[in-house]
Amino acid sequence: DGGITQSPKYLFRKEGQNVTLSCEQNLNHDAMYWYRQDPGQGLRLIYYSQIVNDFQKGDIAEGYSVSREKKESFPLTVTSAQKNPTAFYLCASRLLGGGDNQPQHFGDGTRLSIL
Amino acid sequence: GQNIDQPTEMTATEGAIVQINCTYQTSGFNGLFWYQQHAGEAPTFLSYNVLDGLEEKGRFSSFLSRSKGYSYLLLKELQMKDSASYLCAVRDWGQAGTALIFGKGTTLSVSS
Repeated sequence: DGGITQSPKYLFRKEGQNVTLSCEQNLNHDAMYWYRQDPGQGLRLIYYSQIVNDFQKGDIAEGYSVSREKKESFPLTVTSAQKNPTAFYLCASRLLGGGDNQPQHFGDGTRLSIL
Repeated sequence: GQNIDQPTEMTATEGAIVQINCTYQTSGFNGLFWYQQHAGEAPTFLSYNVLDGLEEKGRFSSFLSRSKGYSYLLLKELQMKDSASYLCAVRDWGQAGTALIFGKGTTLSVSS
């Protein structure tokens, strides 16, 4: 079945460590997004990409980095510069050119905690 | 600026009807989405409105008034499985790419 796969489901980070969250989609979607969700907060945009080898910062990009080497993959690295990384991270994708009513489809998320 | 407001929590009983309101302020409105999210899971798409009026999809309906910056999600014949968070999200021409601006979500608790 087509969908978005995020891994791992749970991740623990030590102080000073970089960690990478995986996001893979087989929906042939053009655009991919990373959001962060904190309790009592809405989803906040970290980074997005509309085409391979191109990505843009969202509202809270500091302390994060991404790459888009393949259409199917959009990994997110949480660097040691992100001082409050504990959150639920959601990856989404969307088909561009299919009409404005095309929704974003979400993966099941990765819950990141600090050890 | 951009702002989306929803009630934080709502409660209802099985079989009832509930209306979840969403008000928004954006500079370049280009569509409103409703998502359902069960705790610890991915948000799933419920509805899309870009023109004024009501969109009906089974037990769920969504309404939009662009002049008032207002939408609501109407859930009929409530079931226990409808207990979830409901997210209102707006697409704004001025927002990064095709990303959405999300409200904080409304947690709905359905009791028997």
